[in-house]
Amino acid sequence: SQQGEEDPQALSIQEGENATMNCSYKTSINNLQWYRQNSGRGLVHLILIRSNEREKHSGRLRVTLDTSKKSSSLLITASRAADTASYFCATDAGGSYIPTFGRGTSLIVHP
Amino acid sequence: EAEVAQSPRYKITEKSQAVAFWCDPISGHATLYWYRQILGQGPELLVQFQDESVVDDSQLPKDRFSAERLKGVDSTLKIQPAELGDSAMYLCASTPRSQETQYFGPGTRLLVL
Repeated sequence: SQQGEEDPQALSIQEGENATMNCSYKTSINNLQWYRQNSGRGLVHLILIRSNEREKHSGRLRVTLDTSKKSSSLLITASRAADTASYFCATDAGGSYIPTFGRGTSLIVHP
Repeated sequence: EAEVAQSPRYKITEKSQAVAFWCDPISGHATLYWYRQILGQGPELLVQFQDESVVDDSQLPKDRFSAERLKGVDSTLKIQPAELGDSAMYLCASTPRSQETQYFGPGTRLLVL
């Protein structure tokens, strides 16, 4: 089944720095979503970008999508300790609308 | 703000025993998902319901797992018998009709001894 793969697996930065994580996928998609998961909790939806969109913003989050490279990036600007979490991309194979998650990027923001 | 409810939050059981998890999606959400998440990995879809019908259960180990959503509202996921490898977080999510954003519950953490 289709699966996005996040990169890097782990990221450690200082508060105030920007954090960038990437997601690559294998086949065409309808949309790509990013979720955040705090330790031991459920996932929280961050942003959805459709296949005909190239960039979306939400607060300190910026998501880009390059369908020619089958990749997406999530940028968190001016990171805070509260951003410490795992971040997952979820993709759906075109036509299925069934989301598939990658393994995630573990982000640690040091105060 | 409405939330997806799950219970129990934690469950410890011995192998070969039966366990059941319950999920109450956000009111009006037509689609309900059950995921299994092993520590350090992403959620893996077990079953997807549209109202009371199963849309996809291709990854559900049907010899031991069962899921139902009889009235198209809340749902139960059962494991019988539980095995050591079933230790994981079980997540429930729901989406409004014709939308893609999933709303997740807090999960049930299962430990099989």
